[in-house]
Amino acid sequence: DVKVTQSSRYLVKRTGEKVFLECVQDMDHENMFWYRQDPGLGLRLIYFSYDVKMKEKGDIPEGYSVSREKKERFSLILESASTNQTSMYLCASSSSIAVNEQFFGPGTRLTVL
Amino acid sequence: AQSVTQPDIHITVSEGASLELRCNYSYGATPYLFWYVQSPGQGLQLLLKYFSGDTLVQGIKGFEAEFKRSQSSFNLRKPSVHWSDAAEYFCAVEVSGNTGKLIFGQGTTLQVKP
Repeated sequence: DVKVTQSSRYLVKRTGEKVFLECVQDMDHENMFWYRQDPGLGLRLIYFSYDVKMKEKGDIPEGYSVSREKKERFSLILESASTNQTSMYLCASSSSIAVNEQFFGPGTRLTVL
Repeated sequence: AQSVTQPDIHITVSEGASLELRCNYSYGATPYLFWYVQSPGQGLQLLLKYFSGDTLVQGIKGFEAEFKRSQSSFNLRKPSVHWSDAAEYFCAVEVSGNTGKLIFGQGTTLQVKP
């Protein structure tokens, strides 16, 4: 079974802090994604990566950056956390070979005070 | 631009009743379509997917969905709902060009009455 893990289930940070959210997948997938989920808005894509050291902006990249130094790991960085970044963050991965079903991690609920 | 609409934000059904969750998409060509389920506090799990061929697709947990090109719809159905089906359901379409990216609908929350 594909497994996508995220470093924290719950995280509380203060405004202005630098925040790292880590995601690891164990199926050698090329593609990795970061979404945020807010009530009534569904999932919105923040950033994605097709390969190591490659990244592309999604629909809402402002205030975020990412890092992909190894194929299995994709990190989301909030350079200076703000209260409007309080949300559920979901990581996903998919193969570029098979049809593009995405596999999701359990999510990190981030609260910025 | 491609989009996915789930017209029903919240649906309540009685246990044992049938269920249909609606999904409409806008897309120029034949889309790749997905339904995911999210139980409280969990990530998303794939229920089923449509890529081509038979327009009636069977998924896990007794769910099925029908692709109707003429109506730009991909509605999810289940003949008899169980209390454990209470969750949030998301319809998604792949962004054109084999990008691997998905566009998600806003989600439908299903409540099951005993």
